[in-house]
Amino acid sequence: DARVTQTPRHKVTEMGQEVTMRCQPILGHNTVFWYRQTMMQGLELLAYFRNRAPLDDSGMPKDRFSAEMPDATLATLKIQPSEPRDSAVYFCASGFSAQLDTFGSGTRLTVV
Amino acid sequence: RKEVEQDPGPFNVPEGATVAFNCTYSNSASQSFFWYRQDCRKEPKLLMSVYSSGNEDGRFTAQLNRASQYISLLIRDSKLSDSATYLCVAYTGGFKTIFGAGTRLFVKA
Repeated sequence: DARVTQTPRHKVTEMGQEVTMRCQPILGHNTVFWYRQTMMQGLELLAYFRNRAPLDDSGMPKDRFSAEMPDATLATLKIQPSEPRDSAVYFCASGFSAQLDTFGSGTRLTVV
Repeated sequence: RKEVEQDPGPFNVPEGATVAFNCTYSNSASQSFFWYRQDCRKEPKLLMSVYSSGNEDGRFTAQLNRASQYISLLIRDSKLSDSATYLCVAYTGGFKTIFGAGTRLFVKA
């Protein structure tokens, strides 16, 4: 089965450090989504890309978060500097055209 | 108000029971709807799409009521393996897929 691959699976870091999460979408999918999931807020859409172009990142805190797609096989989500409130599970998902298809296994981030 | 709202749960039901979840959405322009299932510490996975005419997949039946802006999921003959969180999802166009907070289901022997 085709899958979305996310790395790392787990990350523990100290407050103030930079965190980079990576995602390899399913080959042929042209849309990539980044979601954050917490117990309090559930799944929140942070950003999405189509054909590698960022279409909407209004869900992201702009001062510390950035998302990019340097090529069709790699999407990155970066937090700099990280804060304890960023602790969450970050999911990448990919799809074709406008709709989400498949989630990756997520990156569980803990900022201490 | 959240764009997609679900029954808070948790639902605790015995094996073999029938259980129903409801979900409401606020954006009348929402185009497509889905139910996802999420197991503990796993990613959400698509369970089924929801159509106005209703659709059934084995023990699962999903229904959409556009006039009242709600979606339902019915699970018949519950199994232990149905224990999970069920997420209601609305695709609002413009690449926005909005998830509800989820309803937790526990099926007990």
